[in-house]
Amino acid sequence: KQEVTQIPAALSVPEGENLVLNCSFTDSAIYNLQWFRQDPGKGLTSLLLIQSSQREQTSGRLNASLDKSSGRSTLYIAASQPGDSATYLCAVSRPGANSKLTFGKGITLSVRP
Amino acid sequence: DGGITQSPKYLFRKEGQNVTLSCEQNLNHDAMYWYRQDPGQGLRLIYYSQIVNDFQKGDIAEGYSVSREKKESFPLTVTSAQKNPTAFYLCASSRVAGVSDTQYFGPGTRLTVL
Repeated sequence: KQEVTQIPAALSVPEGENLVLNCSFTDSAIYNLQWFRQDPGKGLTSLLLIQSSQREQTSGRLNASLDKSSGRSTLYIAASQPGDSATYLCAVSRPGANSKLTFGKGITLSVRP
Repeated sequence: DGGITQSPKYLFRKEGQNVTLSCEQNLNHDAMYWYRQDPGQGLRLIYYSQIVNDFQKGDIAEGYSVSREKKESFPLTVTSAQKNPTAFYLCASSRVAGVSDTQYFGPGTRLTVL
């Protein structure tokens, strides 16, 4: 059974810092990995999707990497801003496709002005 | 604007009542999903549908039911058999099921049992 872990559960950093959020998964047989952002009481917004054949994806100040063999992904946020404060969840698609996702519990990020 | 709408935003249920959560999308997506989120937890899949008139159980389907009579609509009924229904419910859709594709989420419905 696939398990997705995100540690730590919460992180607080000063504005302007570059930071890395970690995600690990137990079964390397995945189709893709996605990073989502969730603001309090809101739905999820997709940030980046990395296909299993890719190593990384970039969007603006965000860069996500994928190492299938070690079961790890990182989300790098450059020059963090208070507006980046949110919960970040990673999710992996399961073998057997159908786009079903297994989610981690998320990392709640607070960027202090 | 294209997107996913969920209603109501807040819902209160008495013990023993069935309630139905609405999910509508105008993205022309084939696949739709229902998730449940509890505080400090990741999302857990309740039901998913790959195409109209077809749906499959997810990891925690007991006490829930769904229908998919129209491509754009995927309502979720929380029945009285669901013993702990208080949670945040999220609906999602993706372009085509069975391939790697981004899932788009609605704003959620917060259900509270009184």
